[in-house]
Amino acid sequence: LAKTTQPISMDSYEGQEVNITCSHNNIATNDYITWYQQFPSQGPRFIIQGYKTKVTNEVASLFIPADRKSSTLSLPRVSLSDTAVYYCLVGRNDYKLSFGAGTTVTVRA
Amino acid sequence: ETGVTQTPRHLVMGMTNKKSLKCEQHLGHNAMYWYKQSAKKPLELMFVYSLEERVENNSVPSRFSPECPNSSHLFLHLHTLQPEDSALYLCASSLRLVAEAGELFFGEGSRLTVL
Repeated sequence: LAKTTQPISMDSYEGQEVNITCSHNNIATNDYITWYQQFPSQGPRFIIQGYKTKVTNEVASLFIPADRKSSTLSLPRVSLSDTAVYYCLVGRNDYKLSFGAGTTVTVRA
Repeated sequence: ETGVTQTPRHLVMGMTNKKSLKCEQHLGHNAMYWYKQSAKKPLELMFVYSLEERVENNSVPSRFSPECPNSSHLFLHLHTLQPEDSALYLCASSLRLVAEAGELFFGEGSRLTVL
């Protein structure tokens, strides 16, 4: 399984864009990059998934450079309700994907 | 609402009690999972069921006993727990066992406190 590294925590203010970068140097050819969001005392929730270049949905954007050794989750114009832990997962066809420690994003007013 | 419902949401039990956690999924999925999340620790996969058969038991102590009577229901039976077993227990499901990343649907969890 590809190992991922992401910052432990990030602080932001309402209305700002938050970018979380995840490093995955040993990503395999068939691996996808997936991000989950977890609020306190709740289960993780799927946010976005990508393989290469850029993916955008109503919640976030995911930027993946050509070498795929890293990826950046971008949360546009965050609000207080975006305060959560964000997990970067890399892999495919494997329910054993490690959630790691994630990045705790704190949005302040 | 994720389609995965866990009950109870909160449970306090003594070390000699016997209790059960219940998980129900309304998504027509064939695989179900139990995860444990202790304070300040990553999620730990405990058990995996596919089509009601257990396919994974990650060295979990026998005081935790899973049961999957059908593909929609999953139980975690608890007995003679220790205070260090206090954690958030999360149930998840996926359409099939060999789930691609992003296909796990989690419930809201059962917060367990062992006194």
